Amino acid sequence: DAGVIQSPRHEVTEMGQEVTLRCKPISGHNSLFWYRQTMMRGLELLIYFNNNVPIDDSGMPEDRFSAKMPNASFSTLKIQPSEPRDSAVYFCASTLRDNEQFFGPGTRLTVL
Amino acid sequence: GDSVTQMEGPVTLSEEAFLTINCTYTATGYPSLFWYVQYPGEGLQLLLKATKADDKGSNKGFEATYRKETTSFHLEKGSVQVSDSAVYFCALSDRKAGTALIFGKGTTLSVSS
Repeated sequence: DAGVIQSPRHEVTEMGQEVTLRCKPISGHNSLFWYRQTMMRGLELLIYFNNNVPIDDSGMPEDRFSAKMPNASFSTLKIQPSEPRDSAVYFCASTLRDNEQFFGPGTRLTVL
Repeated sequence: GDSVTQMEGPVTLSEEAFLTINCTYTATGYPSLFWYVQYPGEGLQLLLKATKADDKGSNKGFEATYRKETTSFHLEKGSVQVSDSAVYFCALSDRKAGTALIFGKGTTLSVSS
């Protein structure tokens, strides 16, 4: 079992650039979650999908953020254009039942 | 809405000390409760869970009991180790499958030898 896979693990970019974060959930899991973690705000839910359909995106900070899940084995979180305040660790998690979520290792994003 | 409140950290202990991290919740229904742990540089891992009142979750020497009367789910360990140093998150979820977890802000534990 490979667990939840996220790429890249680290991303450094300049303000204004587009950033795409990727997630592969555990095979067979039907719910996927994107979180952002910062020292100031802690762990925030950005968006989650059930059966590839976005259910709640109220946590997405603004229109610069978008997320897609084209199939059950892949999701992306895109920031365009990126800003320094987007610097954070972004986690993806998946679950099948009992709401026990399995987290990926995270992507550390630094926007200069 | 539903919410989780954890004690503020950091918590600093010596090895073999007793640990308690308080967690209380507010929920309209009968949620499932979780403790997650995050080691430095890693994602969150499920530590233990309880799905109904009076259930006790346990793992790696950690325990927490689902107390409906006090709406609490305090994490305890009788003798902490340096390797327990991490951030601990209390969380709840609606029993409905596929809903998001609501996390507390996390409590940092630092154990020294």
